[in-house]
Amino acid sequence: AQKITQTQPGMFVQEKEAVTLDCTYDTSDPSYGLFWYKQPSSGEMIFLIYQGSYDQQNATEGRYSLNFQKARKSANLVISASQLGDSAMYFCAMRFLYGNEKLTFGTGTRLTIIP
Amino acid sequence: NAGVTQTPKFRILKIGQSMTLQCTQDMNHNYMYWYRQDPGMGLKLIYYSVGAGITDKGEVPNGYNVSRSTTEDFPLRLELAAPSQTSVYFCASSYSGTGRIYNEQFFGPGTRLTVL
Repeated sequence: AQKITQTQPGMFVQEKEAVTLDCTYDTSDPSYGLFWYKQPSSGEMIFLIYQGSYDQQNATEGRYSLNFQKARKSANLVISASQLGDSAMYFCAMRFLYGNEKLTFGTGTRLTIIP
Repeated sequence: NAGVTQTPKFRILKIGQSMTLQCTQDMNHNYMYWYRQDPGMGLKLIYYSVGAGITDKGEVPNGYNVSRSTTEDFPLRLELAAPSQTSVYFCASSYSGTGRIYNEQFFGPGTRLTVL
């Protein structure tokens, strides 16, 4: 079984500041992938970034980076230079690398960027 | 490419009614999924399919049925709707095969269903 925990229900951040969204996970399988999705108020799910359990380096995609600490089982999302358009729900998710690729989601963090 | 499309966008059902949520993808993805998202919660997997003719239960399958007769379509059937099925339903698809690193899931825009 796998479990994702996001402990921050909501966060308020000043525009242009960096923000870290926490995600911890629990699995006994050594082969897994971690995903972050953004859900704006319009409702769609937008893929942001991926980290594989065997990846040697932390993933980066533009202003998004993933602080992957395997021993602590954490995969925090870092958004640099936050923008008003970053206001949204953010979900952490994971799946096993081999098999049916089902995603398990956390409960999400609502991020609000303050101008 | 339209990606993943879902119809309808909104629907109100009475208790005991039935309906089918439609999902179509034009990316030739072999994997397709149905999730539900309750208010303030993450997504939970209802059913998934690894290819035409193959479906399997997810975390919360009770009250739902699916079929996958083609690669493109993956309809979700609600029989005897109940208030507990009030939720936003998302369809997603992904490609599993060689040459892809992480096979991210692409989501449709969602269907907001209310059962009264």
